[in-house]
Formats: sequence, structure tokens, C-alpha cells
Amino acid sequence: EAGVAQSPRYKIIEKRQSVAFWCNPISGHATLYWYQQILGQGPKLLIQFQNNGVVDDSQLPKDRFSAERLKGVDSTLKIQPAKLEDSAVYLCASSSLTGYEQYFGPGTRLTVT
Amino acid sequence: KNQVEQSPQSLIILEGKNCTLQCNYTVSPFSNLRWYKQDTGRGPVSLTIMTFSENTKSNGRYTATLDADTKQSSLHITASQLSDSASYICVVSGSNYGGSQGNLIFGKGTKLSVKP
Repeated sequence: EAGVAQSPRYKIIEKRQSVAFWCNPISGHATLYWYQQILGQGPKLLIQFQNNGVVDDSQLPKDRFSAERLKGVDSTLKIQPAKLEDSAVYLCASSSLTGYEQYFGPGTRLTVT
Repeated sequence: KNQVEQSPQSLIILEGKNCTLQCNYTVSPFSNLRWYKQDTGRGPVSLTIMTFSENTKSNGRYTATLDADTKQSSLHITASQLSDSASYICVVSGSNYGGSQGNLIFGKGTKLSVKP
């Protein structure tokens, strides 16, 4: 089966610019996650969707980050405006409703200059 | 506070040698513990998932152990290969909410380098 797809793989922007990341989960997976992984750290959950509803967005900096999953499949994560500390890898993962396993995409490496 | 701590932070071993990575956690209540392998520039890939009733699980040359009483886990790699060079992340899941995944607490990972 195809894995979790993310694009772009790399992005370099200047601070105060905006950026968007796209994720296509594994077919049939109801739950989708966005994580931020700063260099040398473990991933930090930003937002969790179940179908097109938000389950947990407690760690999402809502003044600048937004995410949507309008049709319960693909998702986009947006940062506007970006700050230097947003430089990180943004990972998307998906899972089925009944399974423990989370499957991660390759990530988008964001560099804010 | 729910935390997952891993040691060592980094490790260098020679190809063919064995090694053991440690994970201590303070997550409560506990649902399951996972070990992930993350190659540079890639997303994490699951190696093992253990619930509180399991104290060992193997996946090829990788063997994970869990002591739920002391809240410790280890990942043992046997006969290391160059391709084992990666970060190994311990992840603990708290009580389930919002579906089967629960609240995942990630460690910072152990960076393993296997040298020829």
C-alpha cells in the first residue's frame, strides 16, 4: 500500500513570509496528525484530526499556525507569518481508528531565514 | 509531568557489535510503549509496540523489553549493521482518548552510528 505522502520535501523562506505544507494520508486512515520536529528533539504533536474534525490542537500556536482537513482525507498546514524558531521538520502521520500504529510521511524540512 | 527520557544521547559502535538503548518514562496512566527508527531525512518507522502486559517483543535483530513496574524499557540491537545508523525514539502512549492512539509522549531519541 502507498505510504503517507508529503510535499514539498524542502522549503526555505524568509521570516514573516507564509508557507503551506500538504499531506495525503494512507487510504482509509481516519486519523491524521501533524508534528513539528526541531533538530535533536522528538516530534511534538501540533494537531490531530479524526476524519475532518479536530481532536487535539492544544499545542498548535494558533496565532500563526492553521490546519485543515476539509474532506477528511488530505490536509494542509499553514504558517503565517513564519518566525525563525519555526525552522524544523514537519511530519504528517496517519492511523486507522482501531490500530495502534502511526505511519509517518517523509516530512517537510522548513528553513526560515 | 509526563516525560520520556532516553539514554545515551548518542552512541558509536563497530559493525557487528551489539548495543542496548534505554528509555525511562513517567507517563501515567500507561497504555503502550513504542520504539521507532528514524533515518536521517526520513519519517520515523515503527519497530515494536508493547502494551503493559508484554515484557519483550522482537523484530528481527531488534528486541525491546518493558518493565512496567519500574517504568523502563530497552531496545537491544544484535549484530549491528551499517544500515542501523539512525535515531531511535522511544514513545509512550497514555490513556486512550479521541480514538485508539492516546496521548503520545516522545523521547528525544538516541543517535546511533555504526562504523565499519
